[in-house]
Amino acid sequence: DAKTTQPTSMDCAEGRAANLPCNHSTISGNEYVYWYRQIHSQGPQYIIHGLKNNETNEMASLIITEDRKSSTLILPHATLRDTAVYYCIVRGRSSNTGKLIFGQGTTLQVKP
Amino acid sequence: DADVTQTPRNRITKTGKRIMLECSQTKGHDRMYWYRQDPGLGLRLIYYSFDVKDINKGEISDGYSVSRQAQAKFSLSLESAIPNQTALYFCATSRQGDLADTQYFGPGTRLTVL
Repeated sequence: DAKTTQPTSMDCAEGRAANLPCNHSTISGNEYVYWYRQIHSQGPQYIIHGLKNNETNEMASLIITEDRKSSTLILPHATLRDTAVYYCIVRGRSSNTGKLIFGQGTTLQVKP
Repeated sequence: DADVTQTPRNRITKTGKRIMLECSQTKGHDRMYWYRQDPGLGLRLIYYSFDVKDINKGEISDGYSVSRQAQAKFSLSLESAIPNQTALYFCATSRQGDLADTQYFGPGTRLTVL
């Protein structure tokens, strides 16, 4: 599975869009990009995933560059409840173990 | 995710005791996983099961065992608990037919071994 690189921490003003970047320059063609978040010791929460195309759901949007070497998670209108650690994970669709490798993630602090 | 439940939510035990953590899911998923998380670290896979008759070791299975009693239930046991097994334990599930194998996590069990 490809390695990911994320900033350690970011701040965002409440009500503004939060844009969380992720670099995955060694991603291969059959690997998905997943985003999860963890709010203070709670279970990780699935946010969104994508393969090649940009994706949007009720929580967020995922923008994947054309060369797939990086992506950005967008929370369109951040609230205080979005304060969490956000994990960008890259994994092949046919992973033998199903294991998700959680790195250090980005700590997003949403401020009033 | 309320569809994945874990019991107990918190447990304090002593070294040498046998402990069982339980996970139940109502999502109808085939695949189930046990992870542990240590402070400031990411999650590490302990065991996983792709169906009732399938049990596989993850990266840190020593000192742990599991039982898949039914499609909806996956239990993790610590045969003889030791202090370095103090951690947050998470159960997760995913659906066999999901090409992306998206995983959904339970709320976690905080285990302290004294």
